[in-house]
Amino acid sequence: AQSVTQLDSQVPVFEEAPVELRCNYSSSVSVYLFWYVQYPNQGLQLLLKYLSGSTLVKGINGFEAEFNKSQTSFHLRKPSVHISDTAEYFCAVIKNTGFQKLVFGTGTRLLVSP
Amino acid sequence: KAGVTQTPRYLIKTRGQQVTLSCSPISGHRSVSWYQQTPGQGLQFLFEYFSETQRNKGNFPGRFSGRQFSNSRSEMNVSTLELGDSALYLCASSPTSGATEAFFGQGTRLTVV
Repeated sequence: AQSVTQLDSQVPVFEEAPVELRCNYSSSVSVYLFWYVQYPNQGLQLLLKYLSGSTLVKGINGFEAEFNKSQTSFHLRKPSVHISDTAEYFCAVIKNTGFQKLVFGTGTRLLVSP
Repeated sequence: KAGVTQTPRYLIKTRGQQVTLSCSPISGHRSVSWYQQTPGQGLQFLFEYFSETQRNKGNFPGRFSGRQFSNSRSEMNVSTLELGDSALYLCASSPTSGATEAFFGQGTRLTVV
C-alpha cells in the first residue's frame, strides 16, 4: 500500500518570501506523484505531477517540485509567494500500474501574509 | 470545455435519511472517482467507475454506493446517514481508468444533523 506524509500542517510565510512544502511517500511499487491545491470551498486543482524523466517538475503559478527517489520525497517549492497562494496544498501518489486510486497526504495550509 | 459538475453544491440531511449526489464528468471522460474529505480523516477514496463498472473501492461501509450511467455521469448514494458522514464529497474525472491526471469538481458539502 502507498502512504503520504506531509509533516507540516501549516506554513506561515511573508509575501515575496520563498517557501517549501514537504512531502514524503512510502510505496513498495513505483508510483506517480502529484501536488494539488485547494482554495476555500473549492475542489482540487492540479499544480504539477511527476511521471518519469527529469526529477525537477515545473507546474502552474510558478510552483516546482523535485522528485528524490532515494529520500522518497517530492517537496514543493516557490521562490516568491503571493497573497493569492494562500490555500491548502495536498501531495498525492498513485500506483503506476493497474486500476488505482489517489492516496493523499493530510495537507499543508500555506498562509501568506503581507 | 466544461469542467466536472457536481450537484447539488450544498445539502443538509437528517440522520437516518439517504442522499444521492451527482457528478457529470468532462465530456469524453469515462472514468469517475469519488472522494470524501473531512477535517479528521482528510481525503479518502470511495470508489471508481469506468464504463459503468466499479473498478476500485475504498474502505467504506456498504451504506456508500454508486453507479455510472452510459453517458459517464455518476451518482453516489449514502443510506441511513450518520453525523459522521458530514463531509465534502469530491468527484474526479479522467479520460480512462488509470489515467495520470484527475480533474476535480467543486464538491458537494453534505451536512447531517
